[in-house]
Amino acid sequence: AQTVTQSQPEMSVQEAETVTLSCTYDTSESNYYLFWYKQPPSRQMILVIRQEAYKQQNATENRFSVNFQKAAKSFSLKISDSQLGDTAMYFCAFMKLKGGADGLTFGKGTHLIIQP
Amino acid sequence: EAGVTQSPTHLIKTRGQQATLRCSPISGHTSVYWYQQALGLGLQFLLWYDEGEERNRGNFPPRFSGRQFPNYSSELNVNALELEDSALYLCASSDWRGGHNEQFFGPGTRLTVL
Repeated sequence: AQTVTQSQPEMSVQEAETVTLSCTYDTSESNYYLFWYKQPPSRQMILVIRQEAYKQQNATENRFSVNFQKAAKSFSLKISDSQLGDTAMYFCAFMKLKGGADGLTFGKGTHLIIQP
Repeated sequence: EAGVTQSPTHLIKTRGQQATLRCSPISGHTSVYWYQQALGLGLQFLLWYDEGEERNRGNFPPRFSGRQFPNYSSELNVNALELEDSALYLCASSDWRGGHNEQFFGPGTRLTVL
């Protein structure tokens, strides 16, 4: 079974600062995907970024980028130039690929607060 | 393009009753996933439906069941409700057969069991 660990229950930074959220995972699978999801107070889960395990290049989406270290089973999210609207719960998620897309395994989440 | 929709937004039931939650995936998506987000337990995978069949289920008792219709919409049924079933139930859809493995979530149904 897979496990996903987010060791920072809560983080708080000033607007415009850069913040990095940590995520580690454990799996025996070789083919999988990793995701970061954002859940603002509205409760709607929003996909932030995805990374395929077979790709060495780190994914980026505008102000969001990841540092994927496959050997270390680490998948951190960096948010540059943080904005008030980035305040939310952030979940790291793992999905194995075996005959199709499977259910996601989530970490417990990090509550990110952007201070004005 | 319309996103994943869920109904109802809120549902209040009493212990022992049955609850039915509904989900419509993004147009073109054949897979539907159900998750439970309960306080203190985090997000847990419940069920995966694809092409009308149940493909996988998480560690939940059989009283959690569902189905997927020919138009790929889905229904989650929870029988013999218990107080600990109170949670936000999230539905997600994906187009993995088209090579797109991202799951897109609906707004959720808040189930309260009294």
